[in-house]
Amino acid sequence: QVQLQESGPGLVKPSENLSLICNVSGDSVTSGTYYWTWIRQPPGKRLEWIGYSYSSGSTNYNPSFESRVTISVDTSKNQFSMRLISVTAADTAIYYCARVGPPAGSVRDWGQGTLVTVSS
Amino acid sequence: DIQMTQSPSTLSASVGDRVTITCRASQSIGNWLAWYQQKPGKAPNLLISKASNLESGVPSRFSGSGSGTEFTLTIDSLQPDDFATYYCQQCYSYWTFGQGTKVEIK
Repeated sequence: QVQLQESGPGLVKPSENLSLICNVSGDSVTSGTYYWTWIRQPPGKRLEWIGYSYSSGSTNYNPSFESRVTISVDTSKNQFSMRLISVTAADTAIYYCARVGPPAGSVRDWGQGTLVTVSS
Repeated sequence: DIQMTQSPSTLSASVGDRVTITCRASQSIGNWLAWYQQKPGKAPNLLISKASNLESGVPSRFSGSGSGTEFTLTIDSLQPDDFATYYCQQCYSYWTFGQGTKVEIK
């Protein structure tokens, strides 16, 4: 059974960059037809898909984040990461990493989530 | 962006009630719709994929239906463990979620 665990700073200053890592166990980030995905949930708001790296290495991003986000996979460490640049208070959220599909889009496997607060 | 709108936003119900939540897409998404249950402080849990496919381990009192732009999640005989927030998600293009429906105790 796959397990996902997010790690990263709990507090980031406005205009700085946010980097999160998702450590994967129980599966390989290169295996199968999975989308290694980041999703966030601002306090009291709906979930937002940020983007994914497919097992082939390609990426796809929510247009709302495309200019600011990079998702990459580190096969040597069996983990994937997200970098979001120039954060603002609106980026305060619980960030989840997830293994998605099949079918595409169905999120069966989630990390526990990590709260990131953007504040000076 | 495909917008997803759920109704109602809050639903008050009693144990044993039959509950229906509606999700509407701003354009046709075929059957590319998933439903999730989320409890406070926890990650969402996938209940249904492809509009009507019940996930393994999910009680049979949950069911999903619909296609195109209108979908429903039905819970037959609501149980104490079912009080939670439910989200729909379109998986057709640039995945987006509904705003959630909180099912609370009446």
